[in-house]
Amino acid sequence: ETGVTQSPTHLIKTRGQQVTLRCSSQSGHNTVSWYQQALGQGPQFIFQYYREEENGRGNFPPRFSGLQFPNYSSELNVNALELDDSALYLCASSLGMERDYKKQFFGPGTRLTVL
Amino acid sequence: GESVGLHLPTLSVQEGDNSIINCAYSNSASDYFIWYKQESGKGPQFIIDIRSNMDKRQGQRVTVLLNKTVKHLSLQIAATQPGDSAVYFCAENISGGYNKLIFGAGTRLAVHP
Repeated sequence: ETGVTQSPTHLIKTRGQQVTLRCSSQSGHNTVSWYQQALGQGPQFIFQYYREEENGRGNFPPRFSGLQFPNYSSELNVNALELDDSALYLCASSLGMERDYKKQFFGPGTRLTVL
Repeated sequence: GESVGLHLPTLSVQEGDNSIINCAYSNSASDYFIWYKQESGKGPQFIIDIRSNMDKRQGQRVTVLLNKTVKHLSLQIAATQPGDSAVYFCAENISGGYNKLIFGAGTRLAVHP
């Protein structure tokens, strides 16, 4: 069974640029959630995708957007990067509406640094 | 509200001792809880979960206790090992909503030989 994978591992961008982060869900999982984790804090929910549709959104501005593809992989896009966007971005997958659907498994994260 | 933890509390234990990590959750409508372990530079790793219709659940060397009356969750680790050193987060999921996890501030566990 393949776990959640994310790419790239690290990324450095400058203010105002745009970034795309990628996530492949765990085998058999059809729901992907994205979280932002600032240094020394717990992860904060950004949004979730189920069957290629956004299924819920946290308190993040519209410049944070996403996609889910038919193979359940997902992208997180952030436009007009700000210094405060520097964080570890985590992807988590789960089984959608199946039993144990609330159990989320996380990938290793992408460390984004905005200069 | 949602948790933001700027100062991470630390629990220091001796190798072989039992550890107890506590967590106060925020929403009385939460019906599912997870404990995660996060090592430096890695993503959170699932440890154990519990539903609100239970008050105790055991795994391998770990036990989770849930007290809904005071909205408190604890993680007990038996015979703590150096490999258990990490930051531990509790997370809650609110009943009826979409599958969003709300994380606590985290506790750093330091295991000394």
